[in-house]
Amino acid sequence: QQQVKQSPQSLIVQKGGISIINCAYENTAFDYFPWYQQFPGKGPALLIAIRPDVSEKKEGRFTISFNKSAKQFSLHIMDSQPGDSATYFCAASARSARQLTFGSGTQLTVLP
Amino acid sequence: KAGVTQTPRYLIKTRGQQVTLSCSPISGHRSVSWYQQTPGQGLQFLFEYFSETQRNKGNFPGRFSGRQFSNSRSEMNVSTLELGDSALYLCASSLNPSGAGELFFGEGSRLTVL
Repeated sequence: QQQVKQSPQSLIVQKGGISIINCAYENTAFDYFPWYQQFPGKGPALLIAIRPDVSEKKEGRFTISFNKSAKQFSLHIMDSQPGDSATYFCAASARSARQLTFGSGTQLTVLP
Repeated sequence: KAGVTQTPRYLIKTRGQQVTLSCSPISGHRSVSWYQQTPGQGLQFLFEYFSETQRNKGNFPGRFSGRQFSNSRSEMNVSTLELGDSALYLCASSLNPSGAGELFFGEGSRLTVL
């Protein structure tokens, strides 16, 4: 029940295209859903996060869509750029748990 | 403002040895969490410390331990190393308890066990 399932495992997109990464969870106690971006040799860095009281959050080219009833959330990267090539992790946490549960990661490659 | 600093960045140990990894959080952050990252298991939560007390622990054997000092710096220790302990160990700090807001990760300590 603690798992967060992420897909796809890898994604190749042309420059200017839309990248979409999906995550699903089971634990209804989760109330914080961040996305992290990780470049090789670096630690993960927070990209954008959402709480379940809203269905969508947009920051620049990055948008989280959240479907509470389906227990799913997704990351959309508009106008994808080669510099977006990285590994993306979705995560979830519950206030009481004091820990993030991460998805398995998606390796995104944006071709020039 | 300096980020999360982890030392050492790379280290090689042999089976049966022990290792201590260090983490200095962002100034003012009182919560420090540790995660293990491997290609097969991904990012897995080890433990979290807040105000020098372990507040939560993941599903790792007792060989994995940690502590936090009064200045919020943290150390984790792995005893009796096994080949499967080879991983990137990430430390993250946050203002609030780790489930409630942004975690700031360091670049990690890459441990290789031979």
